[in-house]
Amino acid sequence: GENVEQHPSTLSVQEGDSAVIKCTYSDSASNYFPWYKQELGKGPQLIIDIRSNVGEKKDQRIAVTLNKTAKHFSLHITETQPEDSAVYFCAASKANAGGTSYGKLTFGQGTILTVHP
Amino acid sequence: NAGVTQTPKFRILKIGQSMTLQCAQDMNHNYMYWYRQDPGMGLKLIYYSVGAGITDKGEVPNGYNVSRSTTEDFPLRLELAAPSQTSVYFCASSEAGQGFPMSYEQYFGPGTRLTVT
Repeated sequence: GENVEQHPSTLSVQEGDSAVIKCTYSDSASNYFPWYKQELGKGPQLIIDIRSNVGEKKDQRIAVTLNKTAKHFSLHITETQPEDSAVYFCAASKANAGGTSYGKLTFGQGTILTVHP
Repeated sequence: NAGVTQTPKFRILKIGQSMTLQCAQDMNHNYMYWYRQDPGMGLKLIYYSVGAGITDKGEVPNGYNVSRSTTEDFPLRLELAAPSQTSVYFCASSEAGQGFPMSYEQYFGPGTRLTVT
């Protein structure tokens, strides 16, 4: 089955710095890669995702890049703010045209991001 | 719109006891999921459902059972609780995939923290 490795496990930055979290996946058939943010005491929430037919996607201060050849994808957060402090999870899914994956996600282990004011 | 709701928020079980974790969503989503989250391990899929009356195993189904009699509800049953089932349990739901490769935004509930002693 799919295996997703996420690094680093903890990341500490100063407010205004950039943060980068990296994930690698094992199944070359995976084609959908979401990122979720989990705040303390809450369930994860989708912040950005990318499909395998796209190399990069941006949404304001966050961006995701995908390298299919190397089987890795990364989350980039610029101009970090204290409210960005949370646990971030990457995930991978094999979503095919028949829909038979049914959105089943394999998650990475998570990265605890702390942004110091 | 309450989104995804879970009850209870916390529960302590003795070894060998049974319980049902409740999950409900009011977004008319066909797909629903149960995950467990262990410290430093990310989220692991326990069971999922693609509609009323249809369920299937995820990555870690042993010791659990599910049912889906309505679109809204997806309870998770623990039989003969064991210490290894101490975890935080999340329920999630999503619409059918969009586009190709398909993307699925999963909406998570607030979680149930279960301790088995």
